[in-house]
Amino acid sequence: SQQGEEDPQALSIQEGENATMNCSYKTSINNLQWYRQNSGRGLVHLILIRSNEREKHSGRLRVTLDTSKKSSSLLITASRAADTASYFCATDEGYSTLTFGKGTMLLVSP
Amino acid sequence: DTAVSQTPKYLVTQMGNDKSIKCEQNLGHDTMYWYKQDSKKFLKIMFSYNNKELIINETVPNRFSPKSPDKAHLNLHINSLELGDSAVYFCASSLRGNYEQYFGPGTRLTVT
Repeated sequence: SQQGEEDPQALSIQEGENATMNCSYKTSINNLQWYRQNSGRGLVHLILIRSNEREKHSGRLRVTLDTSKKSSSLLITASRAADTASYFCATDEGYSTLTFGKGTMLLVSP
Repeated sequence: DTAVSQTPKYLVTQMGNDKSIKCEQNLGHDTMYWYKQDSKKFLKIMFSYNNKELIINETVPNRFSPKSPDKAHLNLHINSLELGDSAVYFCASSLRGNYEQYFGPGTRLTVT
């Protein structure tokens, strides 16, 4: 069954602006991961946050995790046209298999 | 050097045929996976395979069967293809445990 639900489904911003995507899930997790998928390509791992972590940074990416609310957010700062892609959250419930959400389509216009 | 590779990239075939998709990883990972992405971009786990332990998503029809000749390969064999099998299939690999997964480029399967 589907675990993660991303919000919004689609987001359109200008270069230089920040983009925030949210993810909600239903059950206890081992970790939560964010992936990017460019059109017609495979998924690329962005960041993993473990259930005992609350915030993590990687370059222009910032991820938060609130296990009490079963939610996570991905912030991309100073967005670029190259950030245009679909972004998926995925939860690992401890069996090493990921359950993906439906994704957020991000369009960054020059 | 490609970390996770899949062949073929595109596969067009007729209903009723049997086909295979190959996957190889050179990352030294011990666990491999197959995912199906439908036309709405929804990704769903089909199988995970680790040291001869196969975990099957119960919703996957038994026409689908993974075959692993060694730790670096996990092929997907599909019997009696149906129209609804049309999708993009992704192979992935990871170390077992609390780790990220690495995905292949995908195989777009079209059943006519």
